[in-house]
Amino acid sequence: QVQLQESGPGLVKPSETLSLTCIVSPYSVSSGFYWGWIRQPPEKGLEWIGSIHHGGNIYYNPALKTRVTMSVDTSKNQISLKLTSVTAADTAVYYCAGRTVTKNWFDPWGRGTLVTVSS
Amino acid sequence: QSALTQPASVSGSPGQSITISCTGTSSDIGGYNFVSWYQQHPGKAPKLLIYDVSKGPSGVSNHFSGSKSGNTASLTISGLQSEDEADYYCCSYAGSNHWVFGGGTKLTVL
Repeated sequence: QVQLQESGPGLVKPSETLSLTCIVSPYSVSSGFYWGWIRQPPEKGLEWIGSIHHGGNIYYNPALKTRVTMSVDTSKNQISLKLTSVTAADTAVYYCAGRTVTKNWFDPWGRGTLVTVSS
Repeated sequence: QSALTQPASVSGSPGQSITISCTGTSSDIGGYNFVSWYQQHPGKAPKLLIYDVSKGPSGVSNHFSGSKSGNTASLTISGLQSEDEADYYCCSYAGSNHWVFGGGTKLTVL
């Protein structure tokens, strides 16, 4: 069973770059999954940020596209998220989630990591 | 792409049935049979309940069911139990490998 573990700084200053990683185990990040990031601001709903496949296909939420970069590191078996020019509105729990290439739902999910944007 | 519309809250008594709606457009819910539902307890990650509109993953109770009509999907929980008290989110494929979630519905079991 695929397990996902997010990590990164819990506090980021406004205008700086938010950087998170998600370690995939015990399966290879190159297995048949799209890996995605989904966030949830406090007391609010879920928002799809984007999805990436190790083969190079990357898709971003149009609302975040200009600020988001996702990548896959096969040597570390992890995926990464970078979000630039953050503001308080980017404060959220960030989840890493997998989607089997041939399927249309997100499962599994990581436990999530809270990122607060504040000076 | 705009978030799918869900009621902010619903409630029901143990043993009753409730339905949570999720309204989108012809570009997402209405255009594809790729609606999924997730349950989220406080402080926990979302858990898959329903996929492809009405299919249940193994290990998920069959008192959860899903359906779709036009641009609106629905999640029905029959025989409410106290442990069903949670937040519920719908999600739909929106074309071009994009996805959109609903704003979430808080279920209270009275």
